[in-house]
Parts: sequence; C-alpha cells; structure tokens
Amino acid sequence: AQSVAQPEDQVNVAEGNPLTVKCTYSVSGNPYLFWYVQYPNRGLQFLLKYITGDNLVKGSYGFEAEFNKSQTSFHLKKPSALVSDSALYFCAVRDMNSGYSTLTFGKGTMLLVSP
Amino acid sequence: ETGVTQSPTHLIKTRGQQVTLRCSSQSGHNTVSWYQQALGQGPQFIFQYYREEENGRGNFPPRFSGLQFPNYSSELNVNALELDDSALYLCASSLTRFDTGELFFGEGSRLTVL
Repeated sequence: AQSVAQPEDQVNVAEGNPLTVKCTYSVSGNPYLFWYVQYPNRGLQFLLKYITGDNLVKGSYGFEAEFNKSQTSFHLKKPSALVSDSALYFCAVRDMNSGYSTLTFGKGTMLLVSP
Repeated sequence: ETGVTQSPTHLIKTRGQQVTLRCSSQSGHNTVSWYQQALGQGPQFIFQYYREEENGRGNFPPRFSGLQFPNYSSELNVNALELDDSALYLCASSLTRFDTGELFFGEGSRLTVL
C-alpha cells in the first residue's frame, strides 16, 4: 500500500520569508502526488499535483513543489509567505487498487505565518 | 460548472442514533468517494461509489454504508453511532474510478455524537 509521511506537525515562518513543508512518500510503481490545503472548518482545496514531467510543479496561490525521486520526497514551497497562507496542509498519494483508486493522506502540517 | 456540495454542514446526534449525509458530485464526474477526518488527523478513506455500486472500501465497519444515485449524487449512512464517529465527513468526486488526477472535495459535514 502507498503511504506519505509529513514529519512536521507545525511549521512557523515570518511573513515574507520562504517556506517549506516536507513530505516523503512510499509507493510501488509511478507516484501520483498531491498537495491540498484546509482552512478552519472547511473542506480540502487542491493546490498542485505531480503526475509526470518536470520535477518542479507550480500550483495555486504561488505555491510550488519539488519532486525528488531519489529521496522519495515532494516538498511544498513558496518563495515569500503570507499571513493568509496560515492553514493545514496535506500531502497525498494516489493509491491505485484493484478496481478503484483513492487518495492516501498524510497527517497534515499546520503552517503558521507570523506578521 | 458546479462544484461538490454537501449537506447538512453541521449536525448533532446521540450515541446509538443513525445519520444520513448527502453529496452532489461535480458536473461530469461519475465517481464519489467518502472520507472521515477526525480531529487532528488526515482524511481516511471510507468507500467509493462508481455507477451506483460500491467498488472500494477502506477499514470501516459495515454500519457505514452508502448509496449512489443515477445522477451520481451520493449518501453516506452511519448506523448505531458511536462517540468516535464524531468527525468531519468529506465527499470527493472524480471523473472516473481510475482517475489519476486530483479529487474535488466538498466543504464537509461536521458530525458531533454525544
């Protein structure tokens, strides 16, 4: 079975500084990787995905992620953090089962951006 | 294009009761998945419906059941509610059951079991 790990429960960064939220994965076969964001009492919003191609993936709201096959990582990044980026971030991997596919999520990382 | 919509947004039940949650999938999507997100956790896969049949299930007991209708909307039913069933229930739709792209999520239904 596929899995993802988010080693940090919380990441703190000052507004204007670059941010990184870490994710490592374990898959058999080709990895299909995703980042979602969740604001308080809301559903999940899609940020970006890696299916194939360039290792640097650009997504919504200025976020990007770097796919590294040798390190089995898919870290989320942003060059300059905003206070409004404060939210819960989930890394996920497509789990291709027999007959269906689902997303398997990490436990999430809370990003806090201070003014 | 309409997104995924869920109802109700919040509800409170007591232990032993039954609950039904509803979801309308995104236009053009024939596959609906349900997830449970307990407080402080990532979403956990409950089951998936494709063309009105359950075609995949996570590690949830049979008292969690569902339906999908011809218009691809879906229901999640939970019988004999337990305190641990308190969670945010998320519905997600995708183009097909083997889609490798993203899932589109609704805002969720927050269930509190007392």
